[in-house]
Amino acid sequence: DQQVKQNSPSLSVQEGRISILNCDYTNSMFDYFLWYKKYPAEGPTFLISISSIKDKNEDGRFTVFLNKSAKHLSLHIVPSQPGDSAVYFCAANPGANSKLTFGKGITLSVRP
Amino acid sequence: NAGVTQTPKFRILKIGQSMTLQCTQDMNHNYMYWYRQDPGMGLKLIYYSVGAGITDKGEVPNGYNVSRSTTEDFPLRLELAAPSQTSVYFCASSWDGHSYGYTFGSGTRLTVV
Repeated sequence: DQQVKQNSPSLSVQEGRISILNCDYTNSMFDYFLWYKKYPAEGPTFLISISSIKDKNEDGRFTVFLNKSAKHLSLHIVPSQPGDSAVYFCAANPGANSKLTFGKGITLSVRP
Repeated sequence: NAGVTQTPKFRILKIGQSMTLQCTQDMNHNYMYWYRQDPGMGLKLIYYSVGAGITDKGEVPNGYNVSRSTTEDFPLRLELAAPSQTSVYFCASSWDGHSYGYTFGSGTRLTVV
């Protein structure tokens, strides 16, 4: 049973436009959410996170929105750049538990 | 700082062989993890450790063993390799396991033939 779902396997956007990456979760115990970015032949790197007490967290071009009632979060990248082309993993943590649960990832391609 | 270092980067094993994937971190992190990523799939937790001498099973522990004799090292042992263990293996570490996110190594691509 997948507790963190990234239903779209890929997304292609034009450079300069907004990229919106979606993530849904089923476990109500999750209270901390993270996005990781992964380039080929490298390990994932931490991008941005949000706690369940917030509905928005912003870091430069990256903003994560959390809708707890819908069990949905999204990552917005504005403006998108070719260097943003990578696989993006959504992950969640139930707080007291030290383990993260990851989604399958979405491949973002930003066209010049 | 080197962060999390994994060796080897690539390995081909024959069915039934054994090997140890090495992972070491120099950040004095308490928590360490082993994940595997199969094609088109997310990362699945194999084993984790919350400190030296303490290990516990994750989601997919069968066919693997770990040890944590020091804070720095967290080797993953494969006994009797099977084709189903063909995957990319990532080691990660974390300060408190919750708020700071994980630091990942660059991965070990393992093929069992």
